[in-house]
Amino acid sequence: DIQLTQSPSFLSASVGDRVTITCRASQGISSYLAWYQQKPGKAPKLLIYAASTLQNEVPSRFSGSGSGTEFTLTISSLQSEDFATYYCQQLHSYPLIFGGGTKVDLK
Amino acid sequence: EVQLVESGGGLVQPGGSLRLSCAASGFAFSSYSMDWVRQAPGKGLEHVSGMSTDGGTSYYATSVKGRFTISRDNSENTVYLQMGGLRVEDTAVYYCARRRHPRYYGMDVWGPGTTVTVSS
Repeated sequence: DIQLTQSPSFLSASVGDRVTITCRASQGISSYLAWYQQKPGKAPKLLIYAASTLQNEVPSRFSGSGSGTEFTLTISSLQSEDFATYYCQQLHSYPLIFGGGTKVDLK
Repeated sequence: EVQLVESGGGLVQPGGSLRLSCAASGFAFSSYSMDWVRQAPGKGLEHVSGMSTDGGTSYYATSVKGRFTISRDNSENTVYLQMGGLRVEDTAVYYCARRRHPRYYGMDVWGPGTTVTVSS
């Protein structure tokens, strides 16, 4: 199975900060990677698919990059509504593993 | 409005069974693969099962293989997860999600989830 290592697990930041989350795959997955945001008590929300394509109606401060085994999610200027947990997911092959998550909270 | 709504969760004893349903509306259900993803209390996301558009191909996580069965009824716009031999570790919120092809599009619509609690 392909494994995903997400880092950091926790991140404290302030409004306006630039935030970067990394996701590493145990083997090459081309661009078969998605990023999700989840708030407490809510379902995950798709932010980025195909590693770098912004889902409809997702603010442009979110961006994704990478291919192969290393990927990043960047929030260019953190807003109050962005405090949440973020997950990467590989879609290259089954099982469609999720990363362990990165919780972004207020510094 | 594009929508997925799960139902069927509840409290069940270890070894028991439950059938979850996920009703879809607002989109061409038969054009999408469907998945079940669960989240144990305080934990991350786990892809449990998935099924192709026509029901011809299905996937199960190792943790549930042989105990859970996914199915779909494209005439009723519904996907099901039959869960048997339930264990305490199956306690989680269960989400259904849709996924189009190719797979790199990700899971773009999710239901609000239904809670399954396995306890004696």
